[in-house]
Amino acid sequence: DSGVTQTPKHLITATGQRVTLRCSPRSGDLSVYWYQQSLDQGLQFLIQYYNGEERAKGNILERFSAQQFPDLHSELNLSSLELGDSALYFCASSAQTQNTEAFFGQGTRLTVV
Amino acid sequence: GQQLNQSPQSMFIQEGEDVSMNCTSSSIFNTWLWYKQDPGEGPVLLIALYKAGELTSNGRLTAQFGITRKDSFLNISASIPSDVGIYFCAGQPIYAGGTSYGKLTFGQGTILTVHP
Repeated sequence: DSGVTQTPKHLITATGQRVTLRCSPRSGDLSVYWYQQSLDQGLQFLIQYYNGEERAKGNILERFSAQQFPDLHSELNLSSLELGDSALYFCASSAQTQNTEAFFGQGTRLTVV
Repeated sequence: GQQLNQSPQSMFIQEGEDVSMNCTSSSIFNTWLWYKQDPGEGPVLLIALYKAGELTSNGRLTAQFGITRKDSFLNISASIPSDVGIYFCAGQPIYAGGTSYGKLTFGQGTILTVHP
């Protein structure tokens, strides 16, 4: 158990809908990262937050957004969903911004139908 | 953007054999990490490397940070069936300004199959 909790574990939704994925980092970790894993793209970095502020952005679509709350949990919002958004979405956390020993949650499997 | 070339893409070995996989980059990295992912699970950190030339072991696993800072390898000795899974390398590249705020770039993974 990495200590990073993601909910829900599975999500099935229709195209055009909006979903929210939730992540609770390890106790004490200030940095949260979101990754998308699909069969053809591997693990792709989406976005990082550190202590509530956005710190780094990857190839995150404009339809996607994230935030980190004062209690350090994070949410990834995916809107206007398309079939191609079906993937595993992972959250990871680490103690510091530049400490990259990131620990991953079990992921949310999103299926868009 | 940054790319990591991880090889081989897959390996089929007999239990007891040693395994070697590597990652190369066109850019300099200041951190190399190796993860293992089991089906339906998140990647689990195996080894972290922070210095060029660093050689680190974790049980039967050994990894090295290449001296050029553009490559890393992972060796698994005396493989066992539970070593089955996907192994990923990941690196933290150096961007202009010297920091990259923990953004990790992942290799495409090596699928390891161990036959008993």
